[in-house]
Amino acid sequence: ELKVEQNPLFLSMQEGKNYTIYCNYSTTSDRLYWYRQDPGKSLESLFVLLSNGAVKQEGRLMASLDTKARLSTLHITAAVHDLSATYFCAVDSTGNQFYFGTGTSLTVIP
Amino acid sequence: NAGVMQNPRHLVRRRGQEARLRCSPMKGHSHVYWYRQLPEEGLKFMVYLQKENIIDESGMPKERFSAEFPKEGPSILRIQQVVRGDSAAYFCASLAGTSGYNEQFFGPGTRLTVL
Repeated sequence: ELKVEQNPLFLSMQEGKNYTIYCNYSTTSDRLYWYRQDPGKSLESLFVLLSNGAVKQEGRLMASLDTKARLSTLHITAAVHDLSATYFCAVDSTGNQFYFGTGTSLTVIP
Repeated sequence: NAGVMQNPRHLVRRRGQEARLRCSPMKGHSHVYWYRQLPEEGLKFMVYLQKENIIDESGMPKERFSAEFPKEGPSILRIQQVVRGDSAAYFCASLAGTSGYNEQFFGPGTRLTVL
């Protein structure tokens, strides 16, 4: 079974600081997804990364994919309180199943 | 354009009762996934369906759980004789699949509580 690991699991960071969340997966895949989930809510799609070297940016978030290293990163620049949420990465390797990481719970503090 | 809809949003059942969760995919989507999320955990794949066809149910428990997606109407996840361990949030997602990749769009979820 494909395994998807995220770290850190919990992240508390001050407003204005930068940080990176890592997503490692255990088998070959060139499709990786990042989602955001607010407490008690559903998942909101943030990024879809479809090839090695893909980089996408939206506001203070930037995601990248290295398929050779089986690694994706979600970089947060100058964090603000509104970014507090849980972030999940997911990998689609077979076309049928999606495997989700354990999630990174981000809290941005003033 | 309505998104993925799920109902009920909250469901309370006593042990031994049946739970029926419904999911209506986005307009034009004919693929549905069901996931279970326990508190403080990620999503676990349960089943992948197309209209009138189960594509992959390898993530679904062999007993008490079943899923269908009829030609007409919503997809239904059915849990018979619920136990406390079934308490979780159940999300469905429908598949776009129109641009060479399989981006999923998630519904709001059904939060099942078993007393």
